[in-house]
Amino acid sequence: DIQMTQSPSSLSAAVGDRVTITCRASQYISSDLNWYQQKSGKAPNLLIYEASTLQTGVPSRFSGSASGTDFTLTISSLQPEDFATYYCQQSSNAPLTFGQGTKVEIE
Amino acid sequence: QVQLQESGPGLVKPSETLSLTCTVSGYSISSGYYWGWIRQPPGKGLEWIGSMYHSGSSHYNPSLRSRASISVDTSKNQLSLKLSSVTAADTALYYCARDSSSIFHYWGQGILVTVSS
Repeated sequence: DIQMTQSPSSLSAAVGDRVTITCRASQYISSDLNWYQQKSGKAPNLLIYEASTLQTGVPSRFSGSASGTDFTLTISSLQPEDFATYYCQQSSNAPLTFGQGTKVEIE
Repeated sequence: QVQLQESGPGLVKPSETLSLTCTVSGYSISSGYYWGWIRQPPGKGLEWIGSMYHSGSSHYNPSLRSRASISVDTSKNQLSLKLSSVTAADTALYYCARDSSSIFHYWGQGILVTVSS
């Protein structure tokens, strides 16, 4: 199985901050990496797919990038509605696997 | 607009079989895409269970393959999950989702299933 390791597990940030979350794959997965946002009590919501493609309707402050087996989700200016848990997921090989999540909290 | 809604018992006894249904609206399952199940134990991360195409082609997480079974009923526009021999470790929120090239664009709201006697 491909292991997905996110860092950090949690972070505290203020509104307006630039936030970066990293996801590392245990083997090469090309750009087959997706990011989801999950708010408390809700289902995950797709933000970015194929490493850097913004899902329709997702604000442009969200962006994704890739370098080898390292992937980054960036929120350019954190908004109150962005406080949530973020998960990466590899779609390269079955079994599909997720990172353990990064909880973004209010500072 | 594609919508998915899970249904089924919220409480299952240990060693019994968990059975859930996902009703899809706004899109015909027979038109394409895989349809999958993902679960999330309380306070923990996400685990993919498996996905099935309307034609019956499927793939499963090997960690659950021997116990999990997914089926599709195109006449009702539903997919189903059966998980046998459940234990407390199977207590989780269970989500159904549309699987497009292993990317989950649409999700149901989830259903909490507790395994307890």
